[in-house]
Amino acid sequence: DSGVTQTPKHLITATGQRVTLRCSPRSGDLSVYWYQQSLDQGLQFLIQYYNGEERAKGNILERFSAQQFPDLHSELNLSSLELGDSALYFCASSPSLARADTQYFGPGTRLTVL
Amino acid sequence: GIQVEQSPPDLILQEGANSTLRCNFSDSVNNLQWFHQNPWGQLINLFYIPSGTKQNGRLSATTVATERYSLLYISSSQTTDSGVYFCAVEGTTDSWGKFQFGAGTQVVVTP
Repeated sequence: DSGVTQTPKHLITATGQRVTLRCSPRSGDLSVYWYQQSLDQGLQFLIQYYNGEERAKGNILERFSAQQFPDLHSELNLSSLELGDSALYFCASSPSLARADTQYFGPGTRLTVL
Repeated sequence: GIQVEQSPPDLILQEGANSTLRCNFSDSVNNLQWFHQNPWGQLINLFYIPSGTKQNGRLSATTVATERYSLLYISSSQTTDSGVYFCAVEGTTDSWGKFQFGAGTQVVVTP
């Protein structure tokens, strides 16, 4: 158990809908990362937050947004969903901004868009 | 952006065998990490290794930054080593923290 929790584990929704994925980092970790893993695109880094502020942005679509709250949990919002958004979404956390920090991954949320 | 290529794409090993996985990247890097995804989907961060050599148990990694490649060694493989190994890099010309992943090497260790 990495100490990172993600909810829900599975999500099935329809095209055009909006969903919110939630991540609770390990106790004491200030950085949260979001990743997407799909058959087409492989693993992709989406976005990183540190202590409530956005710090790094990857291949995140404009239809997607994220935030990190004062209690350090993070949410990834996906809107106007398309079939191609079906993927496994991982959250990871680390203690600080140091590149050498180990990232600890949650079990992922599997999103299916029908 | 930086390109990352991993080889081989697939590897089948007998338990106890040694193996080497390779990650080539197209530009200088500030950050290089190796990850393992087990057959149940769980991701684990194995190494932070933008240069030099590190060891952790039966796994070790070496990055030769000047020649733009990194190697992950698995010694005395066990069935628990099965899964996909990913290399991810942050190029020096990319924005801070923006990782690019390779396609991975699928490893199957048979008893």
